[in-house]
Amino acid sequence: AQSVTQLDSQVPVFEEAPVELRCNYSSSVSVYLFWYVQYPNQGLQLLLKYLSGSTLVKGINGFEAEFNKSQTSFHLRKPSVHISDTAEYFCAVIKTSGSRLTFGEGTQLTVNP
Amino acid sequence: DAGVIQSPRHEVTEMGQEVTLRCKPISGHDYLFWYRQTMMRGLELLIYFNNNVPIDDSGMPEDRFSAKMPNASFSTLKIQPSEPRDSAVYFCASSLHRNEQFFGPGTRLTVL
Repeated sequence: AQSVTQLDSQVPVFEEAPVELRCNYSSSVSVYLFWYVQYPNQGLQLLLKYLSGSTLVKGINGFEAEFNKSQTSFHLRKPSVHISDTAEYFCAVIKTSGSRLTFGEGTQLTVNP
Repeated sequence: DAGVIQSPRHEVTEMGQEVTLRCKPISGHDYLFWYRQTMMRGLELLIYFNNNVPIDDSGMPEDRFSAKMPNASFSTLKIQPSEPRDSAVYFCASSLHRNEQFFGPGTRLTVL
């Protein structure tokens, strides 16, 4: 079975600072990787996904993530955050042959003025 | 497309009552998922369907929970009888061919 570990439960940053949210996964088979964002009182929205090809993936709202197979990581980055990026971020993994998404425990990003 | 639609958005009920949560997936999607989100346990997959057939219900907590998908455009999650520990946000999601899942806005359930 696969598993996902989000290394930070809370990340406070100041507006316009860069941010990195860390995600490591464990799987014995090939996987697809996702980052979702959840704004308060809303459902999850896909930020970006890695299926194959270039290991650097660009998503919505200026976020990007890099798939590192040797380190089994998929860290999310943004060079300059806004107040509106305050939300909870979830890393998720699915076997390429499977249907079940496995989510990490989430990272609460708080952007302060 | 209107996205995944869930109803009701909020439900407050008393312990022992039956609760029915509803979901309309995105048209054309062949997978439907029910999740539960709590502070203590995070996001948990309860059950998922493929082409209206339940594939994996190993996440359903106990016999008090049941889910159906009578057709491609409608699914229900029922809790009978409800208990305070069932209080959570329940999400429905749908996907096409095991690709990215699209989530509904959720139903916030409070059992008193």
